[in-house]
Amino acid sequence: KAGVTQTPRYLIKTRGQQVTLSCSPISGHRSVSWYQQTPGQGLQFLFEYFSETQRNKGNFPGRFSGRQFSNSRSEMNVSTLELGDSALYLCAGRGEANTGELFFGEGSRLTVL
Amino acid sequence: DAKTTQPPSMDCAEGRAANLPCNHSTISGNEYVYWYRQIHSQGPQYIIHGLKNNETNEMASLIITEDRKSSTLILPHATLRDTAVYYCIVRVDGSSNTGKLIFGQGTTLQVKP
Repeated sequence: KAGVTQTPRYLIKTRGQQVTLSCSPISGHRSVSWYQQTPGQGLQFLFEYFSETQRNKGNFPGRFSGRQFSNSRSEMNVSTLELGDSALYLCAGRGEANTGELFFGEGSRLTVL
Repeated sequence: DAKTTQPPSMDCAEGRAANLPCNHSTISGNEYVYWYRQIHSQGPQYIIHGLKNNETNEMASLIITEDRKSSTLILPHATLRDTAVYYCIVRVDGSSNTGKLIFGQGTTLQVKP
């Protein structure tokens, strides 16, 4: 059974640019959540998508957005990048059971210069 | 979701049991205790969860006190590969729940040869 796939694994951008990250959950998992991890703030919830609809949103500015496709793959976009957006971005899928057992990918490490 | 308190770091000798404590004195009756770990540069990995009773799986055991105000994650025979940051999380499960987890700072477990 393939795990959660995130692409790209590493990327470097400059301030003001925008970036799109992709996440493919485990087959059959319809929920995808996104998290940002930085040394200062730790792991913080960004948003969750289920059946192409955003179900919950964390406390991040509108520059952070996401979407989910009919095959459950999800993308997140960050526009007008700032230095502070440098982070590891993790996505996690969840199966049908409404538990807190999430399956995380390896993450996309974004560096903003 | 209830707040958790964990020691920032712990050491354990390889082959010995690692006992990681977590305080959650404000836990509600319907909140579960979850444990995740994050090995360096990887996504978090689900370990175990429980409500009232002690739980055991192939990775670890979870001991929850009778008043549910604290719990202990036990790795029975720690190996060097168990070196990681361990997160204790409490949350409500259920049909209205989402893929949102609130991570604290966790406990950095260092397993030493």
